[in-house]
Amino acid sequence: AQSVSQHNHHVILSEAASLELGCNYSYGGTVNLFWYVQYPGQHLQLLLKYFSGDPLVKGIKGFEAEFIKSKFSFNLRKPSVQWSDTAEYFCAVRREDYGQNFVFGPGTRLSVLP
Amino acid sequence: DVKVTQSSRYLVKRTGEKVFLECVQDMDHENMFWYRQDPGLGLRLIYFSYDVKMKEKGDIPEGYSVSREKKERFSLILESASTNQTSMYLCASSLSGAGLTEAFFGQGTRLTVV
Repeated sequence: AQSVSQHNHHVILSEAASLELGCNYSYGGTVNLFWYVQYPGQHLQLLLKYFSGDPLVKGIKGFEAEFIKSKFSFNLRKPSVQWSDTAEYFCAVRREDYGQNFVFGPGTRLSVLP
Repeated sequence: DVKVTQSSRYLVKRTGEKVFLECVQDMDHENMFWYRQDPGLGLRLIYFSYDVKMKEKGDIPEGYSVSREKKERFSLILESASTNQTSMYLCASSLSGAGLTEAFFGQGTRLTVV
């Protein structure tokens, strides 16, 4: 079965701290990778996506992610978080060779303390 | 901007009722999805549709059905609502084809079954 795991259920950081959220998936082949964010009371929004090419992708609001194919990982990073980054973050994978659907991880809740 | 609109933000229904959740997208996307979101479980796919009148079961289709009579509209039906179907329901749409496509989400419907 397709599987996406996220390393942390809840992360608590102070403002200006660096952030790294882990994401791993469980199958080979060509994949498209995504990070979505859900701010309190809002709908899911795309932070960034990887389809091919440079494995380091930059997204909105200073976020970036690195695709490491050998580790089946797509970790999200931000060098300095802000209180407004408090949200839930979801990693998602779409396999190019199988179906059209997106498989999501369980999410990581980020709390940034002012 | 792509817009995915769900008919209700909040619904309260009684056990045994038939419940309809409606979703409309305005970007001519081929694919549409229904997920449910529960704390600690992330988003789990209920059903998806890749064309009008076409549907595929996702990971948790039991107790649900769907209808797609028009390209822009995808309905989720709870045949006989039960308390374990209390959840947040998210509709999404995307273009078809490999790569270069992301999922766009509606604002969600929080359903409570009493």
